[in-house]
Amino acid sequence: DVKVTQSSRYLVKRTGEKVFLECVQDMDHENMFWYRQDPGLGLRLIYFSYDVKMKEKGDIPEGYSVSREKKERFSLILESASTNQTSMYLCASSPTFEKPGQTSYEQYFGPGTRLTVT
Amino acid sequence: GQQVMQIPQYQHVQEGEDFTTYCNSSTTLSNIQWYKQRPGGHPVFLIQLVKSGEVKKQKRLTFQFGEAKKNSSLHITATQTTDVGTYFCAGLVDSSYKLIFGSGTRLLVRP
Repeated sequence: DVKVTQSSRYLVKRTGEKVFLECVQDMDHENMFWYRQDPGLGLRLIYFSYDVKMKEKGDIPEGYSVSREKKERFSLILESASTNQTSMYLCASSPTFEKPGQTSYEQYFGPGTRLTVT
Repeated sequence: GQQVMQIPQYQHVQEGEDFTTYCNSSTTLSNIQWYKQRPGGHPVFLIQLVKSGEVKKQKRLTFQFGEAKKNSSLHITATQTTDVGTYFCAGLVDSSYKLIFGSGTRLLVRP
């Protein structure tokens, strides 16, 4: 089974702090994603990475950065946390195009980190 | 920008009743995926539809992809309490890595 783990289930930080959210997957997936989930808004893509050291902005990258130094690990960084970044953060991974026996683009999600910024 | 609209936002049904959620995209999709998120859980992949007009079934769940590949639906026959959760559609655009998620439909089932 694919396993995606996130460093914390719950996190409370103060405004202005630098926050690191870590995500690790054990299935050798090329693609990794960071989403935030807010009521009524679904999942919104913050950043994604399709290879080590490669990253692409998603729909809401402002106030965030990412790092992918190793294939299995994708970090989300809040440079200076603000109260409007209070949210559930979900990491996901997926294999790349057309691998035998795998459904293309299916994403596997981690358990999520509920971040509260006070 | 590209959007996937999903309705309804909530649906509260009596156990045994049917349920349907609909997704509509502003652009043509390469494929559409459906996910289920149980309360307190994370989204879990259910199915992927790729072909125009495609219909797939998983037990009591029926998934459809529109002829124009811009809309999709999930229908649950005779809901059970285990169906409770939020159902998301997610469209893939232009064979990119980027899924665009609908806002989700939260299903509540009265026993």
